[in-house]
Amino acid sequence: AQTVTQSQPEMSVQEAETVTLSCTYDTSENNYYLFWYKQPPSRQMILVIRQEAYKQQNATENRFSVNFQKAAKSFSLKISDSQLGDTAMYFCAFMKHTGANNLFFGTGTRLTVIP
Amino acid sequence: GAVVSQHPSRVICKSGTSVKIECRSLDFQATTMFWYRQFPKQSLMLMATSNEGSKATYEQGVEKDKFLINHASLTLSTLTVTSAHPEDSSFYICSASTGGGYGYTFGSGTRLTVV
Repeated sequence: AQTVTQSQPEMSVQEAETVTLSCTYDTSENNYYLFWYKQPPSRQMILVIRQEAYKQQNATENRFSVNFQKAAKSFSLKISDSQLGDTAMYFCAFMKHTGANNLFFGTGTRLTVIP
Repeated sequence: GAVVSQHPSRVICKSGTSVKIECRSLDFQATTMFWYRQFPKQSLMLMATSNEGSKATYEQGVEKDKFLINHASLTLSTLTVTSAHPEDSSFYICSASTGGGYGYTFGSGTRLTVV
């Protein structure tokens, strides 16, 4: 079974600063996908960034980047130049590469960007 | 990009009545859709996997006779909460995969309140 752990229930960051959200996971799969989703107050789930486990290079999307450590089963999200619109719940998620392709979510981290 | 439309966004119903929630993929075909339930300040809990043309697969602990899922076409899945009770009040979210390990596109969610 797959499990995803987010050990930081809440975090805050000053506007324009950088913050890192932690995520670890447990799986016996060798190939899989990892995601970070954002859920703002509207509750719409928005894909932030995606990583394929067989790629060593860390994914980057504008101000968002990940630190993917496969051996350690760690997948942290770094948000640079934080903006007020980044205030949201952030969920780390895991998906197998083959077979059942549902997402396994972590418990989420509530991020507040302080003006 | 891929869009999933979910309706209604909010519904209030009386205890004992049934409520239907629709989830449509607008610009892609989705052979598989997923239904989640989210309690306040908690993560998304997978309820069931909806497969076009076949019976849904329910997660352990989810009553299939209470939460009826129909996936009659490649673009539409419906969740019907039958004989609703106040404890069914929650936020329900659907999602669909565009394939290729790109995760999911989520609907905007439905807030169900049973009074």
